[in-house]
Amino acid sequence: NAGVTQTPKFRILKIGQSMTLQCTQDMNHNYMYWYRQDPGMGLKLIYYSVGAGITDKGEVPNGYNVSRSTTEDFPLRLELAAPSQTSVYFCASSYETGMIGNQPQHFGDGTRLSIL
Amino acid sequence: AQTVTQSQPEMSVQEAETVTLSCTYDTSESNYYLFWYKQPPSRQMILVIRQEAYKQQNATENRFSVNFQKAAKSFSLKISDSQLGDTAMYFCAYLSRGAQKLVFGQGTRLTINP
Repeated sequence: NAGVTQTPKFRILKIGQSMTLQCTQDMNHNYMYWYRQDPGMGLKLIYYSVGAGITDKGEVPNGYNVSRSTTEDFPLRLELAAPSQTSVYFCASSYETGMIGNQPQHFGDGTRLSIL
Repeated sequence: AQTVTQSQPEMSVQEAETVTLSCTYDTSESNYYLFWYKQPPSRQMILVIRQEAYKQQNATENRFSVNFQKAAKSFSLKISDSQLGDTAMYFCAYLSRGAQKLVFGQGTRLTINP
């Protein structure tokens, strides 16, 4: 029962490098999310997806890109890493229906990313 | 836009005591959901308890209960018989019905002392 799996757990990047944070879920959830958590702060939404092929911006999307080609996977890409993107990144998923309504979001264990 | 405020950055209690964490929110909506998430040092985000705004009855989950005051827009978390494993950051979160965006508070760092 894996839930939401994020890789890698830790990564150090140099300024200007690019990388992709992977996220996969095995719960057949239609909604997926990417958050960042800066030290001492709550989570802020970067991007989200309500289903395969559909993505939308959250609160802090600048500097990031996402894609959702399958229900299971929702990778987050940093094209030109900047020190301001040093943070802990969380992927989450949930299942929402019109009848049941919003269900709780299940979170991955996070990826700690440092840009030096 | 909705906002969530947790006014207690840090709290500390002795093991077995009861502790209450505060959360207030601002919204003009009538249908929404409120959550408390726990984030232990391992960094996982763990759902503790959930409250639907249309339900008047306060949610409970074992030692965890909430005091939901809709008119006052208050959603406090009570932890009874606190345990060392309750040591964590606790985040209050708001979600509009039918929306996708969780709005988090700043968090309260709770320490349970032996």
